[in-house]
Amino acid sequence: AQKVTQAQTEISVVEKEDVTLDCVYETRDTTYYLFWYKQPPSGELVFLIRRNSFDEQNEISGRYSWNFQKSTSSFNFTITASQVVDSAVYFCALSEAPTRYGGATNKLIFGTGTLLAVQP
Amino acid sequence: DSGVTQTPKHLITATGQRVTLRCSPRSGDLSVYWYQQSLDQGLQFLIQYYNGEERAKGNILERFSAQQFPDLHSELNLSSLELGDSALYFCASSPPPPQREYGEQFFGPGTRLTVL
Repeated sequence: AQKVTQAQTEISVVEKEDVTLDCVYETRDTTYYLFWYKQPPSGELVFLIRRNSFDEQNEISGRYSWNFQKSTSSFNFTITASQVVDSAVYFCALSEAPTRYGGATNKLIFGTGTLLAVQP
Repeated sequence: DSGVTQTPKHLITATGQRVTLRCSPRSGDLSVYWYQQSLDQGLQFLIQYYNGEERAKGNILERFSAQQFPDLHSELNLSSLELGDSALYFCASSPPPPQREYGEQFFGPGTRLTVL
């Protein structure tokens, strides 16, 4: 069965601190996708990144970076120099990789989320 | 703006009632997914439709049903509502292959349902 674990329920940091959000997943699939979504207080789900299971290269986008380690089934998310606007709930999610002909369900299995509070 | 629209934005109703939530996917997307976000259950997959046909079912109650119409919009029907059905209901859509975004899901703004 597929499962995503975000052990950190809440994290509080002071602005400009770096913060890492942990994500551990379980799956029997050999190919799969991993995602991070942000949910600000307004409630919408904002897509941040998708990572394919056979691409273990780490990715950096501005102040955001992601560390994918297949050996430990982890896909951690780091925010550098955090800002108050980063305050939100962050969700890690897993889906089976879509087939070439569209047969996969691609439903997302979400973790329980981590509430990040960045204090000024 | 993801391009996925959901109506209504807010819905307040009483126990025992029936409501319909509507979702219009992004242009060209064939898959529609419904998710429920509640305090006790978190974000849960309910059901997926692909080009009008049911593709996958998650933890969807028997009191709930959905369909996808020929124009690809989808409706989620919730009946015999209970207090515990109060939640944020998201719709998401994704494109078919071989589009570059195939495998990604684009979420609508959600419908907040309050059952009193």
